[in-house]
Amino acid sequence: GQNIDQPTEMTATEGAIVQINCTYQTSGFNGLFWYQQHAGEAPTFLSYNVLDGLEEKGRFSSFLSRSKGYSYLLLKELQMKDSASYLCAVTNSGSARQLTFGSGTQLTVLP
Amino acid sequence: KAGVTQTPRYLIKTRGQQVTLSCSPISGHRSVSWYQQTPGQGLQFLFEYFSETQRNKGNFPGRFSGRQFSNSRSEMNVSTLELGDSALYLCASSSPSTGESSYEQYFGPGTRLTVT
Repeated sequence: GQNIDQPTEMTATEGAIVQINCTYQTSGFNGLFWYQQHAGEAPTFLSYNVLDGLEEKGRFSSFLSRSKGYSYLLLKELQMKDSASYLCAVTNSGSARQLTFGSGTQLTVLP
Repeated sequence: KAGVTQTPRYLIKTRGQQVTLSCSPISGHRSVSWYQQTPGQGLQFLFEYFSETQRNKGNFPGRFSGRQFSNSRSEMNVSTLELGDSALYLCASSSPSTGESSYEQYFGPGTRLTVT
């Protein structure tokens, strides 16, 4: 089976940096995705990690350690619009399009 | 280019009825995946279709089925609706036919199904 854990809620201040952690246990791990979902909207793709290391994309960065079953999403220079749910999802070698999602981390950015 | 579209956006059905939801992927995308999102269970994979063939299926009962047409549009059907089927049903498309990376899934706005 697959198990993905991430914190339920986090709060941070505008302009700050926040790190959202995700740990996973899965057989045949292929890759890890991060999605952002605003209330009432569809999830939007943020990042995809297959190899160990840090992937930077503007204000967002994502890190993966395959040996530790661990990833984090780093958000810099937080803005109010970053208030959303952040979903960690993994795929296994069976299909790169069968996403298994964590329960999501609700981030609230305060002024 | 146009994004993933889903129809209808909202639907109310009663227990025992059946429902069909539609998804049109981004032009050129051949893979369509369906997900169910509920407050209690989060986002859960239903199935994936590629070139009219079901490639993967999640752990849902046989009441949930789907199909894909030659133009890549997909439908999912739920028969004998139960109260617990109330959810947001999302579809996502990927596998563009030209040069982009194929691992990104682009989600549609979803169909909000309420079963009473």
